Amino acid sequence: QKEVEQDPGPLSVPEGAIVSLNCTYSNSAFQYFMWYRQYSRKGPELLMYTYSSGNKEDGRFTAQVDKSSKYISLFIRDSQPSDSATYLCAMSKYGNKLVFGAGTILRVKS
Amino acid sequence: EAGVVQSPRYKIIEKKQPVAFWCNPISGHNTLYWYLQNLGQGPELLIRYENEEAVDDSQLPKDRFSAERLKGVDSTLKIQPAELGDSAVYLCASSARYQETQYFGPGTRLLVL
Repeated sequence: QKEVEQDPGPLSVPEGAIVSLNCTYSNSAFQYFMWYRQYSRKGPELLMYTYSSGNKEDGRFTAQVDKSSKYISLFIRDSQPSDSATYLCAMSKYGNKLVFGAGTILRVKS
Repeated sequence: EAGVVQSPRYKIIEKKQPVAFWCNPISGHNTLYWYLQNLGQGPELLIRYENEEAVDDSQLPKDRFSAERLKGVDSTLKIQPAELGDSAVYLCASSARYQETQYFGPGTRLLVL
């Protein structure tokens, strides 16, 4: 079993929809949680960073961490075709390597 | 501020040939990472440097892979000899001291024929 599980999708939604992307993990020692967006043939781009449990909002993006359930989410409001990409969750213990999920492919249709 | 720079962006070689990738991290970032990303997968760490020191190379296949970061700034990752299974994207990332957030370069796409 992988340390971080992420549904590969693809997830297809109409423009303007609210998108929910999720990851589960098994290592309770993880404290730092990130979401990266990766466009085709590009490197991952940091979207959101959260320490420990709680919510964080940045524009149309909201990240949630529930450490008791070992579950993290990324919500995208008013999704746009430009949001079409692969979304990678990643997490780590302090000073340790990032462990990534396999990524979820998102397609926003205009 | 310039991001992480990698070169080349694409490389096609025949199996058993050597290949090298270069990375220049964000200015002032003392931690540098090399990751391997296979198609449909998330990046996996190969090696992490703190300044010139490789502090985590447990996932680096040392029989054919080597890396260096001689002056604590840019870094080179080498494969010799390359195998068909090495075809993947090689990503470089960097982070500032005591920061957990990592910033990635565009990657080098390697195809071994």
